[in-house]
Amino acid sequence: NAGVTQTPKFQVLKTGQSMTLQCAQDMNHNSMYWYRQDPGMGLRLIYYSASEGTTDKGEVPNGYNVSRLNKREFSLRLESAAPSQTSVYFCASSASGASNQPQHFGDGTRLSIL
Amino acid sequence: AQSVAQPEDQVNVAEGNPLTVKCTYSVSGNPYLFWYVQYPNRGLQFLLKYITGDNLVKGSYGFEAEFNKSQTSFHLKKPSALVSDSALYFCAVRDMNTGGFKTIFGAGTRLFVKA
Repeated sequence: NAGVTQTPKFQVLKTGQSMTLQCAQDMNHNSMYWYRQDPGMGLRLIYYSASEGTTDKGEVPNGYNVSRLNKREFSLRLESAAPSQTSVYFCASSASGASNQPQHFGDGTRLSIL
Repeated sequence: AQSVAQPEDQVNVAEGNPLTVKCTYSVSGNPYLFWYVQYPNRGLQFLLKYITGDNLVKGSYGFEAEFNKSQTSFHLKKPSALVSDSALYFCAVRDMNTGGFKTIFGAGTRLFVKA
């Protein structure tokens, strides 16, 4: 019952460093998402992948890149980390982009940029 | 633009009492609405959804939600609160203008249930 697995769980970076957050799902879902969660702001969509081979920008894509490596894996990369990117990052997946399907979330990566 | 509002940052209720967590929405077209719960240091978990049909939707852990089209509301309810219900609750709406891939979340409401 792994569901959506995110690595690492915690990370501290210095400003300007790069890092890739990993996400994998074992539910054979087509669609995958990356969100950031900041206090009082709910979740904001960074990027999503409607299906294998496609990616699209969400609400707050600046400073991030993504790769849909295969159907299971969807990674998020910070090329040059900034303190404003300190946040909790969540990966999610859904069976398809069909609107009636809920999303399944990982337990998050807590990222601090010094 | 589609949006979701959760007017209360925090709701306090005594164990055994009924609870309500409020949500209002603004959408063009038919709303696709969801409630999620988040426990400390965990990801969001799906509770229930409204797509179409009966205005009273039942979900996990004894929760239910009432869809009210005229008031554009989708309030989460439970007849008898448990201490273990204490968590952060998010209302969400699917943005149909982008084919349903984008979900807009409210800011969240923290529920405290006192024993």
